[in-house]
Amino acid sequence: EVQLVESGGGLVQPGGSLRLSCAASGFTFSRYWMHWVRQAPGKGLVWVSRINPDGSIIQYADSVKGRLTVSRDNAKYMLYLQMTSLRAEDTAVYYCATSVGCPAVNYWGQGTLVTVSS
Amino acid sequence: DIQMTQSPSSLSASVGDRVTISCRASQDISNYLAWYQQKPGKVPTLLIHAASTLQSGVPSRFSGSGSGTDFTLTISSLQPEDVATYYCQKYNSDPPETFGGGTKVEIK
Repeated sequence: EVQLVESGGGLVQPGGSLRLSCAASGFTFSRYWMHWVRQAPGKGLVWVSRINPDGSIIQYADSVKGRLTVSRDNAKYMLYLQMTSLRAEDTAVYYCATSVGCPAVNYWGQGTLVTVSS
Repeated sequence: DIQMTQSPSSLSASVGDRVTISCRASQDISNYLAWYQQKPGKVPTLLIHAASTLQSGVPSRFSGSGSGTDFTLTISSLQPEDVATYYCQKYNSDPPETFGGGTKVEIK
């Protein structure tokens, strides 16, 4: 069974940093693209970033370029999102997600809440 | 970047009604279009990919159609458990993998 479990969310001050983690299990992690998607409270889904299976291709939404960095450790089955220079508008639930056996994202974690506030 | 525009943003319909939700891409995305359902307080789930391919386990009252720039999600007979927000998303090779703004479906 595919499982994605995010961690690392919390309250951070504007301008601060945070690292989110996503622990994957139940599939061969090193074979699949991984994504981060976020959802501000009461708002819609926003795609943030994706990383290819070997980590050589990483793509970002314009709104986060230069401030968020995605990486993965295939040996540990872990996906990461390093967040810097955080702003109030980065407040959201952050989901990690993947597409296993399907061209679209078909597995989501439960999400981790990041709150940027003083 | 390609923009994805959904309409309406919300709708209210009776149990048993046929419901349609539209999604328009600002450029041709062929059939690289997915539909997701997000029930209140829950994680999104995939309903349809490739514009019209029903994900395993999804009730057959859900269907998708379209290609190019215009797409539709149809619920043939609305059920109480279909109360949710529905999102389209384009997922072709060029990022970003933009979501539509969402359509909130309620029971009248």
